[in-house]
Amino acid sequence: NAGVTQTPKFRILKIGQSMTLQCTQDMNHNYMYWYRQDPGMGLKLIYYSVGAGITDKGEVPNGYNVSRSTTEDFPLRLELAAPSQTSVYFCASSHPGQGTQNQPQHFGDGTRLSIL
Amino acid sequence: AQSVTQLDSHVSVSEGTPVLLRCNYSSSYSPSLFWYVQHPNKGLQLLLKYTSAATLVKGINGFEAEFKKSETSFHLTKPSAHMSDAAEYFCVVTAYNNNDMRFGAGTRLTVKP
Repeated sequence: NAGVTQTPKFRILKIGQSMTLQCTQDMNHNYMYWYRQDPGMGLKLIYYSVGAGITDKGEVPNGYNVSRSTTEDFPLRLELAAPSQTSVYFCASSHPGQGTQNQPQHFGDGTRLSIL
Repeated sequence: AQSVTQLDSHVSVSEGTPVLLRCNYSSSYSPSLFWYVQHPNKGLQLLLKYTSAATLVKGINGFEAEFKKSETSFHLTKPSAHMSDAAEYFCVVTAYNNNDMRFGAGTRLTVKP
């Protein structure tokens, strides 16, 4: 059982380039998330999705786009890379919360992105 | 809205001694609280969660945490540290759904031989 798989693991981009960070999960989770983690900071939510065809903004969505055409995949796109987007990006998935019984999120190993 | 404050950015203990990682939270609703661990170059792994059941929560690898509503705290403890516990630990609070999870800034745990 692979869980949450992110590709690539590392990438260096030039300012203004675009790229897509891939995320796929094999646990049939409805909910998927993208976070960024900056040094000395906790994770901040970029976008999330509660199911195929449904996406919504998180805390820091500017400069990013997402799509959710299947339950398994949730790619994150950077259209015009900027130095401020240098970060480690984590994808996560979970079952929907059941009332107050929030379900834990399962995380990928991250994509380390540098923009120069 | 909710927020989390991890009171120590770095904690250093000797192997075999107790571990205490402190977390205070703020939430407008009855919160769900989680502790995650992150080893270098890895994603986050769930240690334990509190979701309004027992206030003392036991997790993996001998960790436990106690929910104290009067103190708005959810401190993580372990009786005896092991070298493999060295990692970054994150306290997380969320409301009744998973769509607004707020992470603390993290506490780096160092374990000395």
